[in-house]
Amino acid sequence: NAGVTQTPKFRVLKTGQSMTLLCAQDMNHEYMYWYRQDPGMGLRLIHYSVGEGTTAKGEVPDGYNVSRLKKQNFLLGLESAAPSQTSVYFCASRARLLAGTTDTQYFGPGTRLTVL
Amino acid sequence: GQQLNQSPQSMFIQEGEDVSMNCTSSSIFNTWLWYKQEPGEGPVLLIALYKAGELTSNGRLTAQFGITRKDSFLNISASIPSDVGIYFCAGRSQGGSEKLVFGKGTKLTVNP
Repeated sequence: NAGVTQTPKFRVLKTGQSMTLLCAQDMNHEYMYWYRQDPGMGLRLIHYSVGEGTTAKGEVPDGYNVSRLKKQNFLLGLESAAPSQTSVYFCASRARLLAGTTDTQYFGPGTRLTVL
Repeated sequence: GQQLNQSPQSMFIQEGEDVSMNCTSSSIFNTWLWYKQEPGEGPVLLIALYKAGELTSNGRLTAQFGITRKDSFLNISASIPSDVGIYFCAGRSQGGSEKLVFGKGTKLTVNP
């Protein structure tokens, strides 16, 4: 099992360019999340999904869009990148909570994005 | 929005020392989680807490869910060099929200 993988690992964009970050998980998890992490800050939730075909806004959704067309994939899109979107982006997934199970979100290794 | 205050921001300790860090919130949480993040990697869950007053251990790590539901602490005993990293607390409020609120992290440096 690869767990949670993210592509690309690094990317440099110019202001106004667009790109898509891909997250894939092979654990058959229902829930998937996109976070951003900025220096000296904790992780902040951008968008999340509770199942295939569903998405919802998190704490900082502006400037981002997401899609969950397949259960194993969660895509994060930037339509018109801005310098304020320079950050490290983490994807996470977890199974549906059942009685007696723990709240484990499995995180990917991150994508470092720089917007010039 | 909800905020978590995590302290201290950083710690420099000698190998073998015990470490304590904590998180406080202005609002009530029904879940407290503690993560560790190493350079270039995503956070990894260390301990999950679900009941007020709960005390849970994971090896040399011990965490407690505060009685008021507004705080939690993490202790590391007999630190070793591989404990180096950034430790984050995270909380989930009542109501079953999917939204975890993260603290800003405690950066731990262990000198051999």
